[in-house]
Amino acid sequence: SQTIHQWPATLVQPVGSPLSLECTVEGTSNPNLYWYRQAAGRGLQLLFYSVGIGQISSEVPQNLSASRPQDRQFILSSKKLLLSDSGFYLCAWSVQLGSYEQYFGPGTRLTVT
Amino acid sequence: KNQVEQSPQSLIILEGKNCTLQCNYTVSPFSNLRWYKQDTGRGPVSLTIMTFSENTKSNGRYTATLDADTKQSSLHITASQLSDSASYICVVSAGDSSYKLIFGSGTRLLVRP
Repeated sequence: SQTIHQWPATLVQPVGSPLSLECTVEGTSNPNLYWYRQAAGRGLQLLFYSVGIGQISSEVPQNLSASRPQDRQFILSSKKLLLSDSGFYLCAWSVQLGSYEQYFGPGTRLTVT
Repeated sequence: KNQVEQSPQSLIILEGKNCTLQCNYTVSPFSNLRWYKQDTGRGPVSLTIMTFSENTKSNGRYTATLDADTKQSSLHITASQLSDSASYICVVSAGDSSYKLIFGSGTRLLVRP
């Protein structure tokens, strides 16, 4: 069966510090991968998606970047965090781009102080 | 503008009671509608997915309905349990970019003993 992991589970970082969040998927090959952010009281917002190694599409301009160095690894990064980067970050995968089902990871709670 | 609105924002019910959550959307062209359950601090888990031609779909004590003409959906929870306490998120996929999910902000349900 497929599983999706995210770490760390929680993170507190000062403004201006770098960020690296990691997501890995097990039990499937060539998944489509997604990064979402969920602000308090708001719906999830798609940040990035990837259809393959090294292929990243950005949905919204922002202070963040994403990379996919391996087939089942998706990384969310920032060189300098802003207060507005605080939120709940979710990684998800699907079999196909546009597939009906997206499976979400457990999430990372990021607080920028 | 593609939007998904949910009501109520929050709801408190007694264990064993039924409840209905509402979702209105303005997404075109419509592809499918999903209901997710999100426990606090966790990733969303899919409950149901419905396409344009489906009016109702059940998953245990959860029953979702869809009226594509009025662009409304509801999620009915029968015989609520304490474990039903969570946020319930309505998500609509647009037909032209079905990987892009438009998320509602959710209904926070609290089931009390």
